[in-house]
Amino acid sequence: AQSVAQPEDQVNVAEGNPLTVKCTYSVSGNPYLFWYVQYPNRGLQFLLKYITGDNLVKGSYGFEAEFNKSQTSFHLKKPSALVSDSALYFCAVRDMGTYKYIFGTGTRLKVLA
Amino acid sequence: NAGVTQTPKFRVLKTGQSMTLLCAQDMNHEYMYWYRQDPGMGLRLIHYSVGEGTTAKGEVPDGYNVSRLKKQNFLLGLESAAPSQTSVYFCASSRTGGSTGELFFGEGSRLTVL
Repeated sequence: AQSVAQPEDQVNVAEGNPLTVKCTYSVSGNPYLFWYVQYPNRGLQFLLKYITGDNLVKGSYGFEAEFNKSQTSFHLKKPSALVSDSALYFCAVRDMGTYKYIFGTGTRLKVLA
Repeated sequence: NAGVTQTPKFRVLKTGQSMTLLCAQDMNHEYMYWYRQDPGMGLRLIHYSVGEGTTAKGEVPDGYNVSRLKKQNFLLGLESAAPSQTSVYFCASSRTGGSTGELFFGEGSRLTVL
């Protein structure tokens, strides 16, 4: 079965510093991977996705993610964090056989001023 | 462009009562999903639909029913609500299968069962 794991419940980073939010996956076949962000009392918003091609994927709000097949990881990164980046981040994988999207448990990012 | 709209946004029920959550999307998406979000557990898939007239079970389908009579609407029903169903419910939609499209989410419906 397809699954994703987000090993960190919370990540704290100082404003202006680079940030990384970790995600590892387990899939059969080629992985279709996604990152979403959720602000308080809102729905999830799409940030970026990896389908195929370049291992470094660029997305919204200056975020990017690095796909690493050998480590089965898809970590979310940003070179310089903003206080406004503070939110809940979810990694997800799409099961191509059933069209289900499976989500991780989420990582709360706190950017400190 | 409304996207994905959920109604109601808030509801309080007593144990044993029934209710229906409505999800409507105006993007002509084939696929629609219902998730519940609970602290520390992320989003868990309840039911989903790959087209009008079709539904399928997700990870946590017990106690819920769904219907997709029209392409743009996906209804989630609780026949006899239980306190364990207190949660925030999210509806989402995506483009047709074969596409690798992302999910578009509604703003959520917060349900409390007393």
